[in-house]
Amino acid sequence: AQKVTQAQTEISVVEKEDVTLDCVYETRDTTYYLFWYKQPPSGELVFLIRRNSFDEQNEISGRYSWNFQKSTSSFNFTITASQVVDSAVYFCALTMPYRDDKIIFGKGTRLHILP
Amino acid sequence: EAQVTQNPRYLITVTGKKLTVTCSQNMNHEYMSWYRQDPGLGLRQIYYSMNVEVTDKGDVPEGYKVSRKEKRNFPLILESPSPNQTSLYFCASSPAVEGVGSGANVLTFGAGSRLTVL
Repeated sequence: AQKVTQAQTEISVVEKEDVTLDCVYETRDTTYYLFWYKQPPSGELVFLIRRNSFDEQNEISGRYSWNFQKSTSSFNFTITASQVVDSAVYFCALTMPYRDDKIIFGKGTRLHILP
Repeated sequence: EAQVTQNPRYLITVTGKKLTVTCSQNMNHEYMSWYRQDPGLGLRQIYYSMNVEVTDKGDVPEGYKVSRKEKRNFPLILESPSPNQTSLYFCASSPAVEGVGSGANVLTFGAGSRLTVL
């Protein structure tokens, strides 16, 4: 079965702390794509990153970094030196394009950055 | 401006009264999809379409219909809404990737439509 698990329902950290959001996925396909999307309090969904199953390089974009580990089926997201503007719901998603075109989202992690 | 437009943004209706939520994109995207977002359940895919006249069920299609007669439009139809369809709905689109399924591409989401069925 294909599945995305975001075990952390809600996290609160104080501003400037680092925080990691976990994402564990399940698929038997060898070709798949993983995504992170952000939903700020305003409600829109914003793309953050896409990674395919053949590219295990970690990625850093400013204060954001992603750790993709196929051995543990995880695609974790770390925010360094968090800011209040990082407060949002973050969704991890999985798609297997050679199986079908469904996109499976995790249940999301609500992140509160406290000033 | 490249965007996905949903209407209405907010709607309160009553059980059994047919309604349509429209979705339109101006990016010439092949792939379009509908999701519902419910507390504790995240985003769940209702239907998706890889191109005109091609639609497929997502994970929660019961009680919904869609059509894709034009590339830019992908309306969501609730023939007989029920209170369990009260939710926040998102439409999204993405371009196709040659040689790879459309779902592999980055989604552009609409602003959401909050539907309440009494």
